[in-house]
Amino acid sequence: EIVLTQSPGTLSLSPGERATLSCRASQSVSTIYLAWYQQKPGQAPRLLIYAASSRATGIPDRFSGSGSGTDFTLTISRLEPEDFAVYYCQHYGSSLHTFGQGTKLEIK
Amino acid sequence: DVQLVQSGAELKKPGESLKISCTGSGYSFTSYWIGWVRQVPGKGLEWLGVIYPGDSDIRYSPAFEGQVTISADKSITTAYLQWSRLEASDTAMYYCARLVDHLFDFWGQGTLVTVSS
Repeated sequence: EIVLTQSPGTLSLSPGERATLSCRASQSVSTIYLAWYQQKPGQAPRLLIYAASSRATGIPDRFSGSGSGTDFTLTISRLEPEDFAVYYCQHYGSSLHTFGQGTKLEIK
Repeated sequence: DVQLVQSGAELKKPGESLKISCTGSGYSFTSYWIGWVRQVPGKGLEWLGVIYPGDSDIRYSPAFEGQVTISADKSITTAYLQWSRLEASDTAMYYCARLVDHLFDFWGQGTLVTVSS
């Protein structure tokens, strides 16, 4: 079973700064089934990135995804106040869905 | 517009049974998998299982198989998650979500289940 490990656990940055979030898989995974979600307090998660690097409908272009194999990255180029939230990576493989434990992006 | 509307919050006692629902609209309900995801307060997301309403094919997470039952009634475009005997550890927010290419693209608003004596 694949394990996804996200780092850091918490990231403290200021609006306007660049955020880099990491998701590492315990073994090589297909990029087709690697996604990122954003969850704000009191809300359901929202799909941001699918297939490792494609933005979902309506997602601003300051969000980008990259990576392959075991290492994946979500980058937010210039943080807006509404971007402070928890971010999860997720993978599907062998009929199993796996989430990372999340990275909390907080205002510094 | 795609919508998934979940049933309301529940307060139950340990040992009681429960069935919560997720009603889809704005798309072909029988053509997409529906998944259930648990979130314990203050914790991360955990996948419970998925169902394909078109033929009721079901896949469970090994961690939750035998603990919950997933079903669907395509005639009323509704998926269900049920417990036969709740435990305090089942206290969580439960989300349903539609899957496209095995990724969760639209989510319900969540159903809070509280199990307390």
